[in-house]
Amino acid sequence: GQQVMQIPQYQHVQEGEDFTTYCNSSTTLSNIQWYKQRPGGHPVFLIQLVKSGEVKKQKRLTFQFGEAKKNSSLHITATQTTDVGTYFCAALSYNQGGKLIFGQGTELSVKP
Amino acid sequence: DAGVTQSPTHLIKTRGQQVTLRCSPKSGHDTVSWYQQALGQGPQFIFQYYEEEERQRGNFPDRFSGHQFPNYSSELNVNALLLGDSALYLCASTRQGAGGYGYTFGSGTRLTVV
Repeated sequence: GQQVMQIPQYQHVQEGEDFTTYCNSSTTLSNIQWYKQRPGGHPVFLIQLVKSGEVKKQKRLTFQFGEAKKNSSLHITATQTTDVGTYFCAALSYNQGGKLIFGQGTELSVKP
Repeated sequence: DAGVTQSPTHLIKTRGQQVTLRCSPKSGHDTVSWYQQALGQGPQFIFQYYEEEERQRGNFPDRFSGHQFPNYSSELNVNALLLGDSALYLCASTRQGAGGYGYTFGSGTRLTVV
C-alpha cells in the first residue's frame, strides 16, 4: 500500500534557528496535508497542498509540494519555543475512502 | 476546544476484555474516522464511517468494529483486548465532499491494556 516516509525523526534546535522536515512517497500523491501535535495533544490541521510545485506560507512556516508531487517539506524560520511538537505529513487517499496516510512524524524540540 | 469530543479520556482495561470508545464529530461534519496512535508513531487508520456505514477499513483485525449513529456520532469497539492495543485512539471528523480538507481530530482516548 501507499507509504509516506518522513525525515528526520527528531530535530533539536536552538531558539531562533531554522527547522525543516521532509516527506517522501514512492508514488504520486493527489495531495499532502500537514498536522502539528503538541506533546500530550492531538493532531491539529495546518495546511493542505494540492498543486504541483505549490508553495504556501503561514507566518514563519513555509510548505512546499514537489513538482512531481512525490515529496513535500515544511520549513520553519526562526523557531520559537511555541513551535515545539511533532509535525506530521499525511497523504489523503481519495481512492481509498479519504483515509489519511501519516508519515512517522518529526519531533521538534527548541532550546531557549 | 477541538470541536470533536471523545470519551473517555483515559481507560485501563485487562487483557481479554472489551472496550467501547465514543466520538461526537464537529458540528456540520458527517464523516468520522478512527485512528490508532502508538507512542512515538504516526496515527494509523482503522476505519471510516459515513451514512452509518463503514466505507473504508485499514489493516486492523475484526476485533475492531465500529458504528455510526443517525446524529453522526460514532463508537469504536475492541474485543479480546491485547497488550498491543495500548495506544491513543483518535477520532477525526470531516464533511463528505469537502475533499478531506482539514480533518478535525479529537483529543483522543488513551487506552492502557494490562
